[in-house]
Amino acid sequence: AQSVTQPDIHITVSEGASLELRCNYSYGATPYLFWYVQSPGQGLQLLLKYFSGDTLVQGIKGFEAEFKRSQSSFNLRKPSVHWSDAAEYFCAVASSNTGKLIFGQGTTLQVKP
Amino acid sequence: DAGVIQSPRHEVTEMGQEVTLRCKPISGHNSLFWYRQTMMRGLELLIYFNNNVPIDDSGMPEDRFSAKMPNASFSTLKIQPSEPRDSAVYFCASSRSGRATYNEQFFGPGTRLTVL
Repeated sequence: AQSVTQPDIHITVSEGASLELRCNYSYGATPYLFWYVQSPGQGLQLLLKYFSGDTLVQGIKGFEAEFKRSQSSFNLRKPSVHWSDAAEYFCAVASSNTGKLIFGQGTTLQVKP
Repeated sequence: DAGVIQSPRHEVTEMGQEVTLRCKPISGHNSLFWYRQTMMRGLELLIYFNNNVPIDDSGMPEDRFSAKMPNASFSTLKIQPSEPRDSAVYFCASSRSGRATYNEQFFGPGTRLTVL
């Protein structure tokens, strides 16, 4: 069965520091992978997606993610975090069989001034 | 573009009452999704529609939950009777796709439901 694991429930970084949020997936075929961000009281916004091709994908707000098939990972990165990046981040995989987006449990990012 | 519109944004009701959540997808989108978000279970897909037809409702928790999409611009999620364990944030999302998962889903702001 398809699944997504985000090992870190909560991460705190200082403003200006680099960020990496981990995501591991379980999927039999080539996965379609996504990162979404949810600000408090808001819906989810797509940061970036990977369908095929270049394994390093660029997204909005200066985020990028790298697909590593050998590690079944799709980690999200940002070189310099801003206070406005404080939010909850969700990794998701699309199932080609069922047509569903399967989400990880989310990682809450706190940014220290 | 107004984005996905959900109403109400907040709903507080008593156990046993009927609750109806509403969603207006983005114009031109032909897939619509209902999700539920709780601390315990995270984000769960309840049901999704393609061209107004329910494609997969396996995530609907029980018969108390029902969803309809009478036309391309409106969908409802109904809970009858409601129970305290239904308290959650319910999101609606839409996308432009024949194969619903391969295009970006745009999420509404959610409805926070509290059942007392």
